[in-house]
This record gives sequence, structure tokens and C-alpha cells, in this order.
Amino acid sequence: DAKTTQPPSMDCAEGRAANLPCNHSTISGNEYVYWYRQIHSQGPQYIIHGLKNNETNEMASLIITEDRKSSTLILPHATLRDTAVYYCIVRTGGKLIFGQGTELSVKP
Amino acid sequence: SAVISQKPSRDICQRGTSLTIQCQVDSQVTMMFWYRQQPGQSLTLIATANQGSEATYESGFVIDKFPISRPNLTFSTLTVSNMSPEDSSIYLCSAAGPSNTEAFFGQGTRLTVV
Repeated sequence: DAKTTQPPSMDCAEGRAANLPCNHSTISGNEYVYWYRQIHSQGPQYIIHGLKNNETNEMASLIITEDRKSSTLILPHATLRDTAVYYCIVRTGGKLIFGQGTELSVKP
Repeated sequence: SAVISQKPSRDICQRGTSLTIQCQVDSQVTMMFWYRQQPGQSLTLIATANQGSEATYESGFVIDKFPISRPNLTFSTLTVSNMSPEDSSIYLCSAAGPSNTEAFFGQGTRLTVV
């Protein structure tokens, strides 16, 4: 079973920051949090991952709480092309077990 | 980053037949996985493809229905056997390094069983 909980859907205005929350209260100390997104049933696209420190790359930022029980993916300036299903995953035993994700709609 | 190629990209098959899907990675990877995505649903892990040994299947998936091979570090196949319309899905291959590295996905094989 997926170890994460995400809201099923969110809206965001184009050009604004999109903040996608994720709860992973049962995460173990050596398990990483990964974020992927999927557009129109294409293969999932890797976004970012982290263990306990905040991470940033060219796509997004990942903020992990100090107790590691939750995290937030931040898309700093959302565009229409960021409309997708976003999956927060705790990688367990090397495997990625997908939950239902958050369907993000970026609106003009 | 690894590039994953899947063949075929799509197929329409008769019920009762079998289809083998190929997955080729452009670099050596530690782990390879197979997923199924039914229409409108999230991805479900079928199995971990182990090099040179039997795959490790998730609950609800069995080797007789989904035989998997992984003869080397860059190639794997998934066979969907004795297909029924309920097997109509997208099947995706994934490749990954150790647990603190990225995992990549192919574009999937869209299977329709008629």
C-alpha cells in the first residue's frame, strides 16, 4: 500500500506558485520522498527527491518537515503545461509504490 | 539520466493470445520494474525484474500470467499471457539505481484486448 496521502485535486493560477502537500507519517528514517508527475498517460516524469533536507532543482523545490512526516512540492511559477497528476511517493525497499496523486489544474 | 525504450508502443490483441513487451535501458541499472496502469487509475507495481533469476511479484500478480525475464542489466521483457479484455491497460517499464537515486519510466505500451 502507498505510504502517502495527497489531496485528490488542486487548482492554481498561471504564474503563481503551486504548493502540493503530501503526508507520509509512517516514513522510516532511511526512506526517501520522491515526486513524479504524469501528463496525459505518458510515462511518469521524475521531478525531485529528498531525504530530510530541502531540495531544489530547475523544476521545483521540495520542502520536508523536520519530523519528516510531511512534505510540500513547490512549482514556483506554474504554467499551463504543468497541468498533470502529481505523485508523492516514499521509496521503500527500492520500489516506488504509487498512490492516487493530486490532479493539478493550472488555469489562465 | 537513463533513457528507456519500450516495444511495442501499442497493440491490439485477440483474447486468449499472449503479448511480450520489451524494455531496453541505455545504461546499466540496478533495478528494473514493471507497472500496469488501468484506464483512469494510478500505476500498480506488477513485479521487480531480477537479473538472472525469477522476478519478485507483488500481491495479486503471478508468474503464470505475467512471466518476466531479465537476462542482463539493461534489458527486460514482460509477457501478458492468455489475455482477456480486463488486461487492457498501459504497461510501463521503470529502471532505477540505488534507493537515493532517480528512477525513470518508459513511455509505456498501450494494450487493447478484444
